[in-house]
Amino acid sequence: NAGVTQTPKFRILKIGQSMTLQCTQDMNHNYMYWYRQDPGMGLKLIYYSVGAGITDKGEVPNGYNVSRSTTEDFPLRLELAAPSQTSVYFCASSYSGGRGAFFGQGTRLTVV
Amino acid sequence: EDQVTQSPEALRLQEGESSSLNCSYTVSGLRGLFWYRQDPGKGPEFLFTLYSAGEEKEKERLKATLTKKESFLHITAPKPEDSATYLCAVQGMNRDDKIIFGKGTRLHILP
Repeated sequence: NAGVTQTPKFRILKIGQSMTLQCTQDMNHNYMYWYRQDPGMGLKLIYYSVGAGITDKGEVPNGYNVSRSTTEDFPLRLELAAPSQTSVYFCASSYSGGRGAFFGQGTRLTVV
Repeated sequence: EDQVTQSPEALRLQEGESSSLNCSYTVSGLRGLFWYRQDPGKGPEFLFTLYSAGEEKEKERLKATLTKKESFLHITAPKPEDSATYLCAVQGMNRDDKIIFGKGTRLHILP
């Protein structure tokens, strides 16, 4: 079982560049989440989705966009990268609300 | 607004020295409280879900308990391999289905 797969694992972006962080899950989970983790700050929710075609903002959505065209995939788009977006990004999925979420291994992004 | 506060921020224990980690939460109707373990450079690993006050879950040397305002993760006779950051998260009954995390407790078990 692959679980939740994130690509790439590492990336360096220049200020103003754009990129898409990929996330796919093979567990047929309805709920998917994107978090960022900064040192000492815990996990902050960026966007989440409760099913294909449905997305909603989390705690820190500014500078990001998402789409959910299939159950399996939940890409995170960064437009006009800024140094403040330097972080580790985690994608997670769960079968439904009230169930524990399963996380990918993360994407470490540096914006210079 | 849902909030999760974990204490202490960091904890150093000798191997075999039992202790507890605290997670205080504020949520308008609890849908679930979750505990995770995170090793350096890895994604969080799901441990437990608790749903209602009085509920307990166990896994090896870990036991999670829940009251209406807080949860405890009890670690009995820990070993060095239990060293990790332990994260607590809550999901409320609100329509928005957000899962909100605390900042975690860094646990270090000395051999």
